[in-house]
Amino acid sequence: GIQVEQSPPDLILQEGANSTLRCNFSDSVNNLQWFHQNPWGQLINLFYIPSGTKQNGRLSATTVATERYSLLYISSSQTTDSGVYFCAGVDNYGQNFVFGPGTRLSVLP
Amino acid sequence: EAQVTQNPRYLITVTGKKLTVTCSQNMNHEYMSWYRQDPGLGLRQIYYSMNVEVTDKGDVPEGYKVSRKEKRNFPLILESPSPNQTSLYFCASSFPGSRPDTQYFGPGTRLTVL
Repeated sequence: GIQVEQSPPDLILQEGANSTLRCNFSDSVNNLQWFHQNPWGQLINLFYIPSGTKQNGRLSATTVATERYSLLYISSSQTTDSGVYFCAGVDNYGQNFVFGPGTRLSVLP
Repeated sequence: EAQVTQNPRYLITVTGKKLTVTCSQNMNHEYMSWYRQDPGLGLRQIYYSMNVEVTDKGDVPEGYKVSRKEKRNFPLILESPSPNQTSLYFCASSFPGSRPDTQYFGPGTRLTVL
């Protein structure tokens, strides 16, 4: 099956800073998505982004499917952005949904 | 309100005592899935279902069973739980369609097997 890498594994930011999170896939992937898990464990879908660029407020994401990577941009970070960010997708062989290991973000006041 | 519900939210049990974690969604989603989350391993898919009576194994199906008799429900069954199944479990469902589109997650079930 596909392997998913995320970088960096951990990130500490001061409130107001910008950041870029990266997700690499070992093979072509469908239905690429980004999720945020808040400190209380709740998982929220941020973007469904199989290709191209999308923006939602201070967050935006870009997927370059031909090069098998996706980026999540967080601008003007806030303490409520803290948590773990996961990317995930479906391999070409079925409907098995694979998650990356996550990037743990801590935004300090 | 559109949501995915799981019950129970917390469960402590002993080795070998059969248990069921329920999952229900009210969005008419066809695709449903179970994941477990462990420190350092992220989320791993246990089983998924494309539609009623259609289920398939994910990455870590050993020790688990599922059934999909109704579209809205997708229970996870541990016939003989073992300590290595101590984990945080999530159920998820997707928009109408057989592919795992934007997924909605339940609140999670924290299971401890002694």
